Amino acid sequence: EPEVTQTPSHQVTQMGQEVILRCVPISNHLYFYWYRQILGQKVEFLVSFYNNEISEKSEIFDDQFSVERPDGSNFTLKIRSTKLEDSAMYFCASRPGITYNEQFFGPGTRLTVL
Amino acid sequence: SQQGEEDPQALSIQEGENATMNCSYKTSINNLQWYRQNSGRGLVHLILIRSNEREKHSGRLRVTLDTSKKSSSLLITASRAADTASYFCATDARGGGNKLTFGTGTQLKVEL
Repeated sequence: EPEVTQTPSHQVTQMGQEVILRCVPISNHLYFYWYRQILGQKVEFLVSFYNNEISEKSEIFDDQFSVERPDGSNFTLKIRSTKLEDSAMYFCASRPGITYNEQFFGPGTRLTVL
Repeated sequence: SQQGEEDPQALSIQEGENATMNCSYKTSINNLQWYRQNSGRGLVHLILIRSNEREKHSGRLRVTLDTSKKSSSLLITASRAADTASYFCATDARGGGNKLTFGTGTQLKVEL
């Protein structure tokens, strides 16, 4: 069964460094999302992406964050200058299309900022 | 309270028993989705119920939705130790661009 994949599974970085989290959504899905979950807290929406542009972004998604779909398969989240509070599990999700609303999540990337 | 509150926060039952988890939300929705998360792992999609549906079944799962009360319940019948996980409801709010708003989750422990 097709699934969303994410790499790396765990990323450790120093504060101020740039990180790129990678996702391969399910093939033929049209809508892509990033969410994050700080340890012990709720899963929070970061950004949605459709037709090669951001559809919506949350207050969390400030100028330090960016997303890109550089080719037909990858979907990336970049954090330019990481902060301690960016430490979280980051989930990528994809959705088939307009009439199908189920969002399928990847296994997540655990980001630790030291 | 915030959008998407589950109760109970934690539930411990014996294998073979049924587990019921509840979710309340505040806004009008297009649909509500339930997910399972094993400790520190990814979110597994369980079931989606649309706003015009009242009940839905999938295997041992039964989901109900009461839009007048803005609440949903997830019933797992004949629970197994492998059902031990956290369960979250997530709402797709009307006019919300299909982003999901997650609840706080119910931690279910099924003991042998």
